[in-house]
Amino acid sequence: GNSVTQMEGPVTLSEEAFLTINCTYTATGYPSLFWYVQYPGEGLQLLLKATKADDKGSNKGFEATYRKETTSFHLEKGSVQVSDSAVYFCAHDGGFFGNEKLTFGTGTRLTIIP
Amino acid sequence: NAGVTQTPKFQVLKTGQSMTLQCAQDMNHNSMYWYRQDPGMGLRLIYYSASEGTTDKGEVPNGYNVSRLNKREFSLRLESAAPSQTSVYFCASSGVGTSPLNEQFFGPGTRLTVL
Repeated sequence: GNSVTQMEGPVTLSEEAFLTINCTYTATGYPSLFWYVQYPGEGLQLLLKATKADDKGSNKGFEATYRKETTSFHLEKGSVQVSDSAVYFCAHDGGFFGNEKLTFGTGTRLTIIP
Repeated sequence: NAGVTQTPKFQVLKTGQSMTLQCAQDMNHNSMYWYRQDPGMGLRLIYYSASEGTTDKGEVPNGYNVSRLNKREFSLRLESAAPSQTSVYFCASSGVGTSPLNEQFFGPGTRLTVL
């Protein structure tokens, strides 16, 4: 079946530290992969995405590369800011043509200390 | 262009009461979704609608009903609320104009407490 496993939180880092949040997936097809971010008190918003193997999604200094061989889509940022404090969700669409439902991970809460 | 809107933002119910959560989108999307978010559980799909007039159960549909009133609106009803339904509820939409089509857009959420 479809699943997403992501790094358990919470994660606490100092400002300007390097960030990695691990995400691996199980899917029966060749899925598109997503990272969503949820800021306090808000809904989820798309951070970045990748639709095929070796694609790199990037946005706001965050990057993630679609690794088909390891079924992974790890989120990275070279220098985090206090404003990056949020909950991050990895997700995929299962890979079947016409499927619009997403499978989400449980989320990783990130707190950045000044 | 408001995106996805939800009402109310907060609600407190007593066990056994009923209520309807409203959701509307102005992006001409075909598909709409209702999720609940609980600590340590991530997002779980309650119901979704692939098009106007169709609805399907998701992962956790028990205790809920939905109505796809038209292309814009998708409501979630709790007929007899239970404390286990205390959660934050999110509506989302996807479809025409997004790439890939399954990129979902979320509303701000409704925080529901059942006493």
